[in-house]
Amino acid sequence: GAVVSQHPSRVICKSGTSVKIECRSLDFQATTMFWYRQFPKQSLMLMATSNEGSKATYEQGVEKDKFLINHASLTLSTLTVTSAHPEDSSFYICSARDLQGALGTQYFGPGTRLLVL
Amino acid sequence: AQSVTQLDSHVSVSEGTPVLLRCNYSSSYSPSLFWYVQHPNKGLQLLLKYTSAATLVKGINGFEAEFNKSQTSFHLRKPSVHISDTAEYFCAVTPSSGSARQLTFGSGTQLTVLP
Repeated sequence: GAVVSQHPSRVICKSGTSVKIECRSLDFQATTMFWYRQFPKQSLMLMATSNEGSKATYEQGVEKDKFLINHASLTLSTLTVTSAHPEDSSFYICSARDLQGALGTQYFGPGTRLLVL
Repeated sequence: AQSVTQLDSHVSVSEGTPVLLRCNYSSSYSPSLFWYVQHPNKGLQLLLKYTSAATLVKGINGFEAEFNKSQTSFHLRKPSVHISDTAEYFCAVTPSSGSARQLTFGSGTQLTVLP
């Protein structure tokens, strides 16, 4: 089946540093990838929609300069949290939409746990 | 516009008994509906999806859901649960066509299966 990977699975960093998270679709091409944020015991909140070869579309309230998204190929999107602060600590999950499969189902990565000290 | 309401934040049942997780949706478009499961510190796994074919949808691990247009519901059920089914379950909706097809998630239902 469709597999999406994320790297790293967890990262701890100091306040003020930048962290890059990679999202890869391993066995299908994804022109669209999505980035979500999930706080403990809460649902997923869509941060941005990433389209291959074009600028990402950010949801209201999400700072595009803080959460940089690059979607350079049909199988890779990256999220960079710039100048991370403790309030950015969260679980970040990406998904990729399989346009070759049945009606564009989204497949999710395993998530990246970010802890900013 | 679209939204999803999961009516129960927590459900506890005994192993071997049936379970029903409720989901109601609102959509301006003909919807596609999904159920995902999330185990602790893991990503989401697709259980099943409705995409305007048969209203009764069978998914993985013995789960099934029924699309009811008149009641705008897409409840998830399993006839006999296992301990391993303990997890968070999310219902989600998206328009079935169009380029903007973003998923909108419900708030989730924590299912606990007791021994």
